[in-house]
Formats: sequence, structure tokens, C-alpha cells
Amino acid sequence: RKEVEQDPGPFNVPEGATVAFNCTYSNSASQSFFWYRQDCRKEPKLLMSVYSSGNEDGRFTAQLNRASQYISLLIRDSKLSDSATYLCPTVNTGTASKLTFGTGTRLQVTL
Amino acid sequence: DVKVTQSSRYLVKRTGEKVFLECVQDMDHENMFWYRQDPGLGLRLIYFSYDVKMKEKGDIPEGYSVSREKKERFSLILESASTNQTSMYLCASRPPLSYEQYFGPGTRLTVT
Repeated sequence: RKEVEQDPGPFNVPEGATVAFNCTYSNSASQSFFWYRQDCRKEPKLLMSVYSSGNEDGRFTAQLNRASQYISLLIRDSKLSDSATYLCPTVNTGTASKLTFGTGTRLQVTL
Repeated sequence: DVKVTQSSRYLVKRTGEKVFLECVQDMDHENMFWYRQDPGLGLRLIYFSYDVKMKEKGDIPEGYSVSREKKERFSLILESASTNQTSMYLCASRPPLSYEQYFGPGTRLTVT
């Protein structure tokens, strides 16, 4: 089983829609979680960290479900500029605290 | 602002050539990483370094080596390039006391 699994998509949604992605992880010892965003032909950039109690940043809400070992990202009022691939690495604490990535979920927001 | 730069955006090499990919960060980060990214496989860690001259294998080190002679520079070396090493290569660095990694713009390497 892969350490991090994501539905690759694409998720095609109209502008203004609400969309949610999940990301499951297999290592129950994982302590820290993130959502990264990667635009086409660009490098990944941190979108937000995911806290145990859930957290919100504007139109973006991240949730963590430790019992079921998944994290989620909810995007409200989607914009064309939200079109990107969303990655959810987990942290392998230890030397250098490596990140383990899934394949990412591609989101395409259309008019 | 953290800046991670990579020596080339696009590179075309022939099978059997020795290839050097350079990565430089300007924030005095100790931890640096090399990934490759392929469709359907995501980002996979090749090697990482947690200090000058210190390195550890990642998940897919075969066919690669690295060099970290100075803190700001982390080089990925393909000793004898093969077509299955055609990929997007991303370098990243990480500050202490943080898990966030900062990525360079990537090098798209084609081996023919």
C-alpha cells in the first residue's frame, strides 16, 4: 500500500462551486500534514498546514481524521486561479524529516 | 523570501553521459532534498542531505549520486544517464524547526 494515496482526478468544477479532496495515509505514526499546491509546470508551494483541530484560511479548510487516517481539503467559491494539482505530503519524522508525497489531485475550475 | 535556484530549466542529454544538476539555496538551510516527479508516480525522494558532506539515500537512489561540499549547494549526479531517467527533477530545502520545504523551479531532463 502506498504511504500517501490521492485520487489523481481531474476534478472539473464550475467557478463558484465547492470542491473537496481527500488524502489517505498509511503510517499511523505520521504527525504532521500539509497541503501543497502545484501549478502546471511549476514547483510545489505550501498552501497550508493541517492541524488536529482543523483549520481554515480564507476559502480553504483543512481537516485531519486520525482515526481513519485521512486529511481533507475543502475549497469554497472556487476561482479559475485555483486550478492546480494539490499534494498532501506527510512527514516522516527522523533524519531531515522527509516528506512523502502522493500523486496529487488535479483540479480544473471552468467558467 | 527563500530562494532555491536550479541550474537549468530544460536539459537534453544522451544516453551514457554524465549529468550534473545543481541546486543553490540562499537561506543557510541545513536540509536539502532531490526529488523526481513523473506522471502517475508523484514526487519521489532520490537523496537528501542534512549538512555539508552528509547525505542519505531516499526512496529511489539507484543510478544517482549527490554532492554537498558547501551548505548552499546540493548537486545531483547521474553517472551514466539512461532514458528511464527522463523526468522533472526538483530540489528543495528546509529550514530548521520547520517541516515546510521550499522548492526550486525544477529541471526537465530528457535523455535520448
